[in-house]
Amino acid sequence: AQSVSQHNHHVILSEAASLELGCNYSYGGTVNLFWYVQYPGQHLQLLLKYFSGDPLVKGIKGFEAEFIKSKFSFNLRKPSVQWSDTAEYFCAVRPPGTYKYIFGTGTRLKVLA
Amino acid sequence: DGGITQSPKYLFRKEGQNVTLSCEQNLNHDAMYWYRQDPGQGLRLIYYSQIVNDFQKGDIAEGYSVSREKKESFPLTVTSAQKNPTAFYLCASSPSDRTYEQYFGPGTRLTVT
Repeated sequence: AQSVSQHNHHVILSEAASLELGCNYSYGGTVNLFWYVQYPGQHLQLLLKYFSGDPLVKGIKGFEAEFIKSKFSFNLRKPSVQWSDTAEYFCAVRPPGTYKYIFGTGTRLKVLA
Repeated sequence: DGGITQSPKYLFRKEGQNVTLSCEQNLNHDAMYWYRQDPGQGLRLIYYSQIVNDFQKGDIAEGYSVSREKKESFPLTVTSAQKNPTAFYLCASSPSDRTYEQYFGPGTRLTVT
């Protein structure tokens, strides 16, 4: 079945550690890719998105993601996390020819001060 | 302020009762969506609507119904046929242009006892 996979369900890091969260999708064709973040008690908000062009996308709060078409991946990275990055992170895909957005199961990140 | 409002924030119902969750947007977006968020399962699509008076089932539509009589409004009814209705429900909207992301409301937490 077509899907979006996030391999890390829970991640615990110390402040200043580097972060990489995996996201793989199984849709062919031209997809739009997104990373959302949900801070405790807050709305889901967009971190970054990719729809064409440079496969390395920069988002808010120092986050970036790299689209690797051959690997069907869109991994999220941050060189040095902060305690305030504690949140749940969701990868999402908008497959071609549809208004649907398909979400992964999310990764809960906890950053220790 | 532009955005998406969902009301109420918390909702309690007895088993066997239908309940309607409100979602309103003033972003002039064409598309609207309902998701259900459960721990460890990410966001699962219940229904979506690309345009007024039209909507499609998502992945978990059984036991739910929607209407889209106005562009701004997309209410979700959780019927008594939904076997496990207790959950966090999120409404979202997006422009038609596929390069745009979804915007999310604050959510409604429904508890059915």
